[in-house]
Amino acid sequence: DTEVTQTPKHLVMGMTNKKSLKCEQHMGHRAMYWYKQKAKKPPELMFVYSYEKLSINESVPSRFSPECPNSSLLNLHLHALQPEDSALYLCASSQAGTGGDQETQYFGPGTRLLVL
Amino acid sequence: AQTVTQSQPEMSVQEAETVTLSCTYDTSESDYYLFWYKQPPSRQMILVIRQEAYKQQNATENRFSVNFQKAAKSFSLKISDSQLGDAAMYFCAVTSGTYKYIFGTGTRLKVLA
Repeated sequence: DTEVTQTPKHLVMGMTNKKSLKCEQHMGHRAMYWYKQKAKKPPELMFVYSYEKLSINESVPSRFSPECPNSSLLNLHLHALQPEDSALYLCASSQAGTGGDQETQYFGPGTRLLVL
Repeated sequence: AQTVTQSQPEMSVQEAETVTLSCTYDTSESDYYLFWYKQPPSRQMILVIRQEAYKQQNATENRFSVNFQKAAKSFSLKISDSQLGDAAMYFCAVTSGTYKYIFGTGTRLKVLA
């Protein structure tokens, strides 16, 4: 099973709202990722958690706040977003470490976010 | 800087025919991995095929195969017997350190009935 699930599928929010995106995997992976993807562009890495600890933050604005409550769950808390933050937000997971299958990321279906 | 280049923004193929998508990359790492991902309009990124740079043998997965030329830093994807369901955006990616991928800009593949 190589399934990563994300909820909600679609989200519309105002610039003053607070909302959260959720990602879940049950593959026993210990690395989880958030990406932002604009239309017709490749995904851009935002955050990486490894063993529930934040390993990489790609200088993402503080209005995006990630959280990894346990090894299967990853959240992205959103607050005071701007219209330019409208995008597809993808979650991915992989085994932690280097070499072999650890390098392979499996993606969820994404959450389409629209900020008004 | 590490880069991945997909020089074909869009390609078309007739159903049942063969098509090759090109990807070139530049990396200073000695050990790395290369991937092709497919993203249909339904938007989920799906792993198509993976190649370990230390392996000389080209990876294959059913109708999908790669032509990996390490010295030329080329990693093309061949799709045989193209099907309508193959229509998607295809991204080439190369690992860059731990947990990071460098993605190409993508090639949109259209399959004509």
